[in-house]
Amino acid sequence: GENVEQHPSTLSVQEGDSAVIKCTYSDSASNYFPWYKQELGKGPQLIIDIRSNVGEKKDQRIAVTLNKTAKHFSLHITETQPEDSAVYFCAASNPNTGNQFYFGTGTSLTVIP
Amino acid sequence: DGGITQSPKYLFRKEGQNVTLSCEQNLNHDAMYWYRQDPGQGLRLIYYSQIVNDFQKGDIAEGYSVSREKKESFPLTVTSAQKNPTAFYLCASSMASTGQVGYTFGSGTRLTVV
Repeated sequence: GENVEQHPSTLSVQEGDSAVIKCTYSDSASNYFPWYKQELGKGPQLIIDIRSNVGEKKDQRIAVTLNKTAKHFSLHITETQPEDSAVYFCAASNPNTGNQFYFGTGTSLTVIP
Repeated sequence: DGGITQSPKYLFRKEGQNVTLSCEQNLNHDAMYWYRQDPGQGLRLIYYSQIVNDFQKGDIAEGYSVSREKKESFPLTVTSAQKNPTAFYLCASSMASTGQVGYTFGSGTRLTVV
């Protein structure tokens, strides 16, 4: 089955700096990669996703890049703000498993004012 | 407002008791999922259901049971056979019929065994 690894597990950045979180996956058939943000005591919320037919996608201060050959994808947050502090999860799914996602272990991001 | 509702937010269980966690959605989503979240381990799939009256085991189904009698509802029962039930439980839903799309998650239930 699919195995998703996520790094780093914790990340601290100064307000205004950029943050990068990286994930790798094992199943070359995986073709959909969402990212979720989870605030303390709440459920995860989808913040951005990318499909395997594109290499990069941006939404304001958030971007995701995908390297299918190397089987890794990354979340980039620019101009970080204190409200970006949360746990971020990557995930992967492929058509062979319907819409079942395999999640990374999460990255706890702290933005220091 | 459409959304997915989990209740209760906090639940305490004595050892040896079964407890049922509620999950209701009004998004008209076909698929529903239950995940368990433990510190440092991410989200692990317990059960999922693509259509009414059908469900499949996930990676850690032992000690849990589910039902899907209505499209809107997917309750999870944590049985006394679950050896370490203290965790944060998340329910999610998606429009599985439209292909791979992101989940909508509920706000979770924190279960503690006392």
